[in-house]
Amino acid sequence: DVKVTQSSRYLVKRTGEKVFLECVQDMDHENMFWYRQDPGLGLRLIYFSYDVKMKEKGDIPEGYSVSREKKERFSLILESASTNQTSMYLCASSFGTPSFTSPRSEQFFGPGTRLTVL
Amino acid sequence: QKEVEQDPGPLSVPEGAIVSLNCTYSNSAFQYFMWYRQYSRKGPELLMYTYSSGNKEDGRFTAQVDKSSKYISLFIRDSQPSDSATYLCAMSARSSGSARQLTFGSGTQLTVLP
Repeated sequence: DVKVTQSSRYLVKRTGEKVFLECVQDMDHENMFWYRQDPGLGLRLIYFSYDVKMKEKGDIPEGYSVSREKKERFSLILESASTNQTSMYLCASSFGTPSFTSPRSEQFFGPGTRLTVL
Repeated sequence: QKEVEQDPGPLSVPEGAIVSLNCTYSNSAFQYFMWYRQYSRKGPELLMYTYSSGNKEDGRFTAQVDKSSKYISLFIRDSQPSDSATYLCAMSARSSGSARQLTFGSGTQLTVLP
């Protein structure tokens, strides 16, 4: 079974703190993703990475950065946490580039980190 | 306009009912379609996937894709209280660049009453 783990289930931080969210997958997936999920807004992509040391901005990268030093680990960093970053953060991973003969692109999610910024 | 539209509900049905969950989309490049189930305070888990048009059945669940109408459905037969969750549709295009990414619906919250 694919397993995606996240470092914390619940986290409470103060405004201005630097926050690190860690994600590890054990299936040698090339692609890793960070989303945030808010009521009424669904899943929104923050950043993704398709290789070590590679990163791409998603739909809402402002206020966030990421790091992928090893294939199995993808970190999300909030440089200076703000109250509007209070949210559920979900990490996901998936296989390589889908192709015509192998189109599957499903992502496997971790359990999520519920972050509260006071 | 969002690329994927999904009625957020909430939807409440009695145990044993047939449930129909739906998404519409606007991007004709979408080829690969998924349904995820998300229990409260948990991450989404993959429930069903289909490629292009047609039906796929897995136990009490049937996924249906109608590409001509840009409409996908998930049917749950003999619904159980344990099916109470939020259901998200997701889809991807087949071009090499964007195929890694999924576009999600906002999710439908389902409650099955015992």
